[in-house]
Amino acid sequence: EVQLVESGGGLVQPGGSLRLSCAVSGFTFSDHFMDWVRQAPGKGLEWVGRSRNRAKSYTTEYAASVKDRFTISRDDSKRSLYLQMNSLKTEDTAVYYCARSVAVAGSDALDIWGQGTVVTVSS
Amino acid sequence: AIQMTQSPSSLSASVGDRVTITCRASQDIRNDLGWYQQKPGKAPKVLIYAASTLQSGVPSRFSGSGSGTDFTLTISSLQPEDFATYYCLQDDSYPLTFGGGTKVEIK
Repeated sequence: EVQLVESGGGLVQPGGSLRLSCAVSGFTFSDHFMDWVRQAPGKGLEWVGRSRNRAKSYTTEYAASVKDRFTISRDDSKRSLYLQMNSLKTEDTAVYYCARSVAVAGSDALDIWGQGTVVTVSS
Repeated sequence: AIQMTQSPSSLSASVGDRVTITCRASQDIRNDLGWYQQKPGKAPKVLIYAASTLQSGVPSRFSGSGSGTDFTLTISSLQPEDFATYYCLQDDSYPLTFGGGTKVEIK
């Protein structure tokens, strides 16, 4: 079964750090680009960043709102994607989703999503 | 960053209605646009990619059109399970950006 399972969410104080994980099963993780997307309470979706695959040297992209604070990494041997979040702000409070990106018809599609993990930044 | 302006932000419609949602990009994004459906408490689901290509398993009442800066998602005959929030997402350039969402409610 194709599945993405996020973990690591929780309550953290402003300025703190948290590391999210996304465990993958049912497809060849190492072939794929992987994304993080978040959704603040009652708000819309916000793309957080992307990890490219080994063929693309595991390079990453980030939204401006998280650049220099968040780091995306992956361990293909563990079939896992990570989001290291530092210097957290109250506005980082959200449900965080990992998603698989596939290149189709010259475009990208986020075709498989996890169930999300909740991050709350509050004192 | 490319701004995606989605309209309307919400709409009320009846089962069987034809529904149209639009997304406008702040610059040319060719056909690099997807449409996603999200139901409360659930992860988003891709409906359309490359502006007009239906994702496998998605009912044919959903269709997408457009290129450049103006895009449309159409639901030809709204079904009870289609009441949800819909988002567009441009993947033409980084950072990827979502539209603000359209909540489709029951009239």
